[in-house]
Amino acid sequence: GAVVSQHPSRVICKSGTSVKIECRSLDFQATTMFWYRQFPKKSLMLMATSNEGSKATYEQGVEKDKFLINHASLTLSTLTVTSAHPEDSSFYICSARTGRGTEAFFGQGTRLTVV
Amino acid sequence: AQSVTQLGSHVSVSEGALVLLRCNYSSSVPPYLFWYVQYPNQGLQLLLKYTSAATLVKGINGFEAEFKKSETSFHLTKPSAHMSDAAEYFCAVSRSSNYKLTFGKGTLLTVNP
Repeated sequence: GAVVSQHPSRVICKSGTSVKIECRSLDFQATTMFWYRQFPKKSLMLMATSNEGSKATYEQGVEKDKFLINHASLTLSTLTVTSAHPEDSSFYICSARTGRGTEAFFGQGTRLTVV
Repeated sequence: AQSVTQLGSHVSVSEGALVLLRCNYSSSVPPYLFWYVQYPNQGLQLLLKYTSAATLVKGINGFEAEFKKSETSFHLTKPSAHMSDAAEYFCAVSRSSNYKLTFGKGTLLTVNP
């Protein structure tokens, strides 16, 4: 089956620093990747949709300048949390699909803790 | 707009008992419906999906779900619970094939020996 890998699985960073999370499709080309945020005891919230080679589309209420998404290749998308604060601590999950109408596969998630 | 409501944030069953996790959806267009399972600190694994074909959908690990348009429901069932089924389960909906998912708040399933 299709494999999506996220790195790192866990990261702790100091308040005010930036942290980058990678999402890779290992055995398929992902034309579209989705980034979700999961709060404790809450559901997953879609943050943005990125298509390879174009700017990401952010959901309402998500700060695009704070959560920078880059999808420069068909196998890699990155989420950079800029000037991180403790309230940004969360579980971030990506998913990827090959094209319209195809299933999206999820990465294993990244636990971000900002101290 | 679309939304998902999962009734019961926590369901507890005995090993060998029937598992029933409830999901109701709201969608302005014919929906695609999904059930995902999440183990602690892991991503999501697809259990099954409804994409406008057969209304009774069979998935992995013995799970199945039935799409009932009249009830706007897509409940997940398994005849006999196993200890390894203990996890968080999410119901999700998307507009047809764009796979831009809207999730329910999840149901934590615990299985007692």
